[in-house]
Amino acid sequence: SAVISQKPSRDICQRGTSLTIQCQVDSQVTMMFWYRQQPGQSLTLIATANQGSEATYESGFVIDKFPISRPNLTFSTLTVSNMSPEDSSIYLCSVDRVGTNTQYFGPGTRLTVL
Amino acid sequence: AQKVTQAQTEISVVEKEDVTLDCVYETRDTTYYLFWYKQPPSGELVFLIRRNSFDEQNEISGRYSWNFQKSTSSFNFTITASQVVDSAVYFCALSVANDMRFGAGTRLTVKP
Repeated sequence: SAVISQKPSRDICQRGTSLTIQCQVDSQVTMMFWYRQQPGQSLTLIATANQGSEATYESGFVIDKFPISRPNLTFSTLTVSNMSPEDSSIYLCSVDRVGTNTQYFGPGTRLTVL
Repeated sequence: AQKVTQAQTEISVVEKEDVTLDCVYETRDTTYYLFWYKQPPSGELVFLIRRNSFDEQNEISGRYSWNFQKSTSSFNFTITASQVVDSAVYFCALSVANDMRFGAGTRLTVKP
């Protein structure tokens, strides 16, 4: 498995502000993903972070609200823009290493928007 | 389209009881992967097992065992002699071509 870290681990933010979440992996991976888990709910894929190109977003998620960067094979960021209380969730990144066909998850970022 | 159903929203057992978590999946693809993840109260998602669609062999790992049956599209998870530390939300997931879909999760509470 890969060692995955996320920063921050948790944050409390004011409505209308933005927060950038970082995801760092200890080795190069082919694919990185960002998920949202709303309180008491399952995981929903936001987007696939593509190295060197724009992220691929799932239905219901747009780049203006959730801009994603992936400058190299070990790092990605997700920004939650113009936040509202409905954005309060756990945000998780996951990675899929070559040949494993398995996603391993970071520890998550617990976001509360007041 | 892929779909995963975990019909059991919550299960409560007393320590040392055996418990089975059900998972039913839907896909038209012949190549796919099935997973179980554990999410303890701390929130991280812990990988437990992966099964590919061509391997129906059941697996046992300590107190954990998994029963994969393509005939019923099920991938059930059994914990034997449950312990308080097993208390968590358990997610079943289906992946087709890196498109992973999660079930709603089953919250397991193991009481001492």
